[in-house]
Amino acid sequence: GENVEQHPSTLSVQEGDSAVIKCTYSDSASNYFPWYKQELGKRPQLIIDIRSNVGEKKDQRIAVTLNKTAKHFSLHITETQPEDSAVYFCAGARGGGNKLTFGTGTQLKVEL
Amino acid sequence: GAVVSQHPSRVICKSGTSVKIECRSLDFQATTMFWYRQFPKQSLMLMATSNEGSKATYEQGVEKDKFLINHASLTLSTLTVTSAHPEDSSFYICSAIGAGANVLTFGAGSRLTVL
Repeated sequence: GENVEQHPSTLSVQEGDSAVIKCTYSDSASNYFPWYKQELGKRPQLIIDIRSNVGEKKDQRIAVTLNKTAKHFSLHITETQPEDSAVYFCAGARGGGNKLTFGTGTQLKVEL
Repeated sequence: GAVVSQHPSRVICKSGTSVKIECRSLDFQATTMFWYRQFPKQSLMLMATSNEGSKATYEQGVEKDKFLINHASLTLSTLTVTSAHPEDSSFYICSAIGAGANVLTFGAGSRLTVL
């Protein structure tokens, strides 16, 4: 089955700096890669996703890049704000993208 | 947008008892629902996939007789933790997809504490 690895496990940045979280996947048939933000005790919230026919996608301060050959994808958050502090999970899935395999999570802390 | 409601949000039970958690799609028909378990500071681990009207498909290592999943209607799936033990204490989250929800929508989770 799919295995998704995520790094780093914790990331601390100063407000206004950029944050980058990286994930690798093992299943070459995976073609859907969402990113979720989860605050403590809350539901995961989809923040951006990318499909394998696209190399990069951007939504305001958030961008995701995908390298299919290397089987890795990254989340980029620019101009970080304290409210960006949360745990971020990457995930991968085949086909319709419903059965997700999650990465191990990154605790992002944006310091004032 | 699509909304998934999960109930209860928190439950405390005694060891040996059973607990039922409900997952409802409020404004769409959920043909497929997923159940996850999340231990503190860990990732979401898929437990099972539930399709309306059929038996759930469990992931390897998940005991189907302990974690009973029912998806009898297009808007409701239930997870029953039978004979709960302290090691079953966890955050259980459901997600759903179907007509009217083109991306996976998560419930708010249920915090189970077994004493």
